[in-house]
Amino acid sequence: AQSVTQLGSHVSVSEGALVLLRCNYSSSVPPYLFWYVQYPNQGLQLLLKYTTGATLVKGINGFEAEFKKSETSFHLTKPSAHMSDAAEYFCAVSDALEYGNKLVFGAGTILRVKS
Amino acid sequence: DTGVSQNPRHKITKRGQNVTFRCDPISEHNRLYWYRQTLGQGPEFLTYFQNEAQLEKSRLLSDRFSAERPKGSFSTLEIQRTEQGDSAMYLCASSFLDNSPLHFGNGTRLTVT
Repeated sequence: AQSVTQLGSHVSVSEGALVLLRCNYSSSVPPYLFWYVQYPNQGLQLLLKYTTGATLVKGINGFEAEFKKSETSFHLTKPSAHMSDAAEYFCAVSDALEYGNKLVFGAGTILRVKS
Repeated sequence: DTGVSQNPRHKITKRGQNVTFRCDPISEHNRLYWYRQTLGQGPEFLTYFQNEAQLEKSRLLSDRFSAERPKGSFSTLEIQRTEQGDSAMYLCASSFLDNSPLHFGNGTRLTVT
C-alpha cells in the first residue's frame, strides 16, 4: 500500500525567505507524485507533478520539487515566500502502474507567511 | 474549461436525515472521483467512476453511502441516515484517462448536528 508522510503540520516563514515543505512517500511500485495547494474553503489546485523523466519539476507560482528515489522524498521548495503563498499544501502519490490513478494524500502542511 | 462544479457548497442537516450532493465534472473528463476530507487531514479516497461505471469503492464507503454517475456525466453522492461522524468536506475531482492530474471542485461542506 502507498502512503505519504508530510513532516511538520505547520511551517512558518518570513516573507522573502525560503520555503521548504517536506514529503516522504512509500510505494512498492514506481510512483507518480504531486503537490496540491488548498486555500480556505476551496478545493485543491495542482502545483506540480512528477511522472517520469527529469527529477526536478517546476510548477506554478515559482514552486519546484525534486524527486529523490534513494530518499523516497519529494520536497517542495520556493526561493522567496510571498504573503499569497499562505495556504495548506498536500503531497500525494499514485501508483504509476495501477489502473485508475487515484491519489493517496498526506495529512497536509499549513504554511504561514509572516510580514 | 469551466472547472469542476459541486453543489451545494454547504449543507447542514440533522442526524438521521438523508443528504445528496452533486458534482459536475469537466465535460471532456472520463473519470470522476469522490474524496472526503476531515479537519486536519488530507483527502481520503471514497470511490471513482470511469464514464458511468463505478470501478472502485473504498472501505470508508459504508453501506449508507451510495454514488451514481448516470450516463457518464454528473455524479451524485447520497448519504443515508447521517451521523455526526459524516461531518466533513466532500470533494469531487475529474480527469482524463491515463494518469492525468485530477482537477478538484470546491467541495461540499457537510455539518451533521
